[in-house]
This record gives sequence, C-alpha cells and structure tokens, in this order.
Amino acid sequence: QQQVKQSPQSLIVQKGGISIINCAYENTAFDYFPWYQQFPGKGPALLIAIRPDVSEKKEGRFTISFNKSAKQFSLHIMDSQPGDSATYFCAANPPSGAGGTSYGKLTFGQGTILTVHP
Amino acid sequence: NAGVTQTPKFRILKIGQSMTLQCTQDMNHNYMYWYRQDPGMGLKLIYYSVGAGITDKGEVPNGYNVSRSTTEDFPLRLELAAPSQTSVYFCASSYLQGYAEAFFGQGTRLTVV
Repeated sequence: QQQVKQSPQSLIVQKGGISIINCAYENTAFDYFPWYQQFPGKGPALLIAIRPDVSEKKEGRFTISFNKSAKQFSLHIMDSQPGDSATYFCAANPPSGAGGTSYGKLTFGQGTILTVHP
Repeated sequence: NAGVTQTPKFRILKIGQSMTLQCTQDMNHNYMYWYRQDPGMGLKLIYYSVGAGITDKGEVPNGYNVSRSTTEDFPLRLELAAPSQTSVYFCASSYLQGYAEAFFGQGTRLTVV
C-alpha cells in the first residue's frame, strides 16, 4: 500500500496555541517526508521536510517529529498565528522503481484545514 | 521569476467536451507533474514527465492524456469530459529526483456540468 493517512481533517486553535497534525504511512520504503502549506486559491508550497535518519527537524515555529518504528510523523506549529490558517498536507516520496529513481512523485495525505482564531 | 504558470484559472465544461489545461515552467526543471485535488482526498498524481518526450501514468490517469514536447511545457488533455473530472488541477515541477522541492502552479478549477 502506498497510502499516507492524515488527521485531523480540520483543526481550530487559538492564537498562541500549539497546532498538531499527524500522519501515518504503511510503506517502510518511503524515505522523504515533506509538509506542504496551501492558502486558499493558491498551489501548495513546501513548508518543511524530513528524512527518516533523524527524529526531529525544526524550522522557526514549525517542527516535524518522526517515529520510524511507528511509521508516523507529525507537524507541530508553536505559537500558532492567524496567518498560519491554511490547509496542510503531509506527503511521502515513494520508493525507487526498477529504474532506481522515484522521479520525485509524492503520495499526499488527505489534508488538514487549520484555522487559528485571533 | 514566474515559476509554474497554469491557464486557465477557471473553466466550466459540458459533459463530452474536451479541453487542454496548459502548464509552463521557466525554471528549467526536468520533472513535471499533474495532480488533481478533491475535497478531503489530498492530491492524486495523474501523469508525470521526466523530460521532453518522456511521460508516464500516475495513480489516476484514466480520462486524461499528456504530452511533453519541450522542457517548459506540459499540457494536460481531457477528452470527453465527465462530471467525475470536476476538480482542481495542479501542475508542478522539480529539478532533482528524490528529495527536491516540488513547485506548484496556482491551479485550474474545472467544473463539468
């Protein structure tokens, strides 16, 4: 199975709170896990990404936590701001095919609509 | 730098009509992709291309066709439009394989009635 399952479907957080979005995958050959942020009417844009050789990656208020044994990874947004209100997608890079490359194809989670109230 | 440009932004088609969604990128990226986005379903890969003249099917290719005659352009063709093809379509590109960032266009919202 190539699925990536994301939860929750929607999330409401107060300004200054912590937003947590979780993803689980099945294929242990996945080896790259990016998060994309999408504002209404726009295309997704890369927010932060992690490789499975590390358990955590932090960039400003955004942190990815990765649990290889549980096949789970999560996005934490600290001090959430109204400007963070967007749809967030986790994704995974599929395993290499017979040709030895995955060509950058991404398998996406279902998306989480985050609303941060002022 | 324009990045990935998609046209049109919106389109309404009648059942059975055909159309081409245009996508062009000015970053000299080798890899290009077409995804469709449906509510609660994430993005699904329709077709992808690893260079001019080379295309391959993604997860949901039925009802679509693509071509890649140049590095810059990757049009998506819908033949015999069906209501199930109502969706938001995103074109994306990336330079390196594997771990490179994918750059997305702003999308085309298509409604088939």
